[in-house]
Amino acid sequence: DTAVSQTPKYLVTQMGNDKSIKCEQNLGHDTMYWYKQDSKKFLKIMFSYNNKELIINETVPNRFSPKSPDKAHLNLHINSLELGDSAVYFCASSQVAGSEQYFGPGTRLTVT
Amino acid sequence: SQELEQSPQSLIVQEGKNLTINCTSSKTLYGLYWYKQKYGEGLIFLMMLQKGGEEKSHEKITAKLDEKKQQSSLHITASQPSHAGIYLCGADSNFNKFYFGSGTKLNVKP
Repeated sequence: DTAVSQTPKYLVTQMGNDKSIKCEQNLGHDTMYWYKQDSKKFLKIMFSYNNKELIINETVPNRFSPKSPDKAHLNLHINSLELGDSAVYFCASSQVAGSEQYFGPGTRLTVT
Repeated sequence: SQELEQSPQSLIVQEGKNLTINCTSSKTLYGLYWYKQKYGEGLIFLMMLQKGGEEKSHEKITAKLDEKKQQSSLHITASQPSHAGIYLCGADSNFNKFYFGSGTKLNVKP
């Protein structure tokens, strides 16, 4: 069974659209994260949730809104998509905040 | 500015050769993590180091954390094509803050 899964794996959409990426972990971890990987492969943390509560909210546009319906899921909703949003988005989870993280396979978002 | 500096940015080695990747922080680290990303795939956790001077090995990969807990190295012995990928170091500098280096792209020529 996949430990951290993301859907979809690929997402191609037009500017101005609203889209969501879903993440689920079956590891029983308390903390989940969203990262954005840019074209230079640099990973930057966007959000972190611990037991459904937001604990890290880095400087990202308000168009990005994470939602955690339960501690096994952390979804990322993006409004009014822009060209610069094109990237690979990784979800991750860890037992507790600060422990080693396990990553999903990534979602490659392309905005045209 | 980046919290973690990785070097080199890219590396091409002949199969069978040894190589080292470095990760340096200007701050004392609470934990240092090494990940590997295969091209087009997600990240795989390799090792975590927490104590100054700590060294861990897994198969042909050895990671070390210096005594000051500001620098780590990842050493691969007798590299193989399966080692190819992007190696990322990640670190806790403060509780709840996690940073990644920019990655080292490794190619191993058969």
